[in-house]
Amino acid sequence: AQTVTQSQPEMSVQEAETVTLSCTYDTSESNYYLFWYKQPPSRQMILVIRQEAYKQQNATENRFSVNFQKAAKSFSLKISDSQLGDTAMYFCALKNTGNQFYFGTGTSLTVIP
Amino acid sequence: DAGVIQSPRHEVTEMGQEVTLRCKPISGHDYLFWYRQTMMRGLELLIYFNNNVPIDDSGMPEDRFSAKMPNASFSTLKIQPSEPRDSAVYFCASRKGTSGMGGETQYFGPGTRLLVL
Repeated sequence: AQTVTQSQPEMSVQEAETVTLSCTYDTSESNYYLFWYKQPPSRQMILVIRQEAYKQQNATENRFSVNFQKAAKSFSLKISDSQLGDTAMYFCALKNTGNQFYFGTGTSLTVIP
Repeated sequence: DAGVIQSPRHEVTEMGQEVTLRCKPISGHDYLFWYRQTMMRGLELLIYFNNNVPIDDSGMPEDRFSAKMPNASFSTLKIQPSEPRDSAVYFCASRKGTSGMGGETQYFGPGTRLLVL
């Protein structure tokens, strides 16, 4: 069975600081993809970053980067230079060779001015 | 590209009424997914299509829910009759059929916020 766990329901960070959101997952497959989605108050689900499990290099997208630890089945998201617009719910997701996505329960991030 | 388009964005209806939610996937995407999001249950996959064919509808809560995809550019999710517990945000998402090169990424529409009174 595939599971995705986000153990931090809520987090806050000062503007311009760095914050790390945690995600662990479980899958028996060796080939899979991991994602972070952002859901701001508008409710739109926006792709933040994507990581292929077969790639050892951690993905980065501007201020967003991941720490992918395959052996530990950990996939954390680091947001650098936090901005007020980063305030949102963040979901970690796993896709294996099937078509279904498995989502975590989300972490609500508040950026404090 | 316009992204995934959903309509309406908001829907308020009374219990017992029929509700139809609409989705236009990104052109060229072979997979279409319908999700429901509530505070209690988070994001739930209701059904997904591949090349317009329903593949897995095990997430559809009950017979009151039905989904169709008559062509590659349009899908509907219908609730008949609607109940207050159906109140949620309903998302449509699509992706390409190929793995790799970003083909596995799902792109979400803006969602339809449904309130059943």
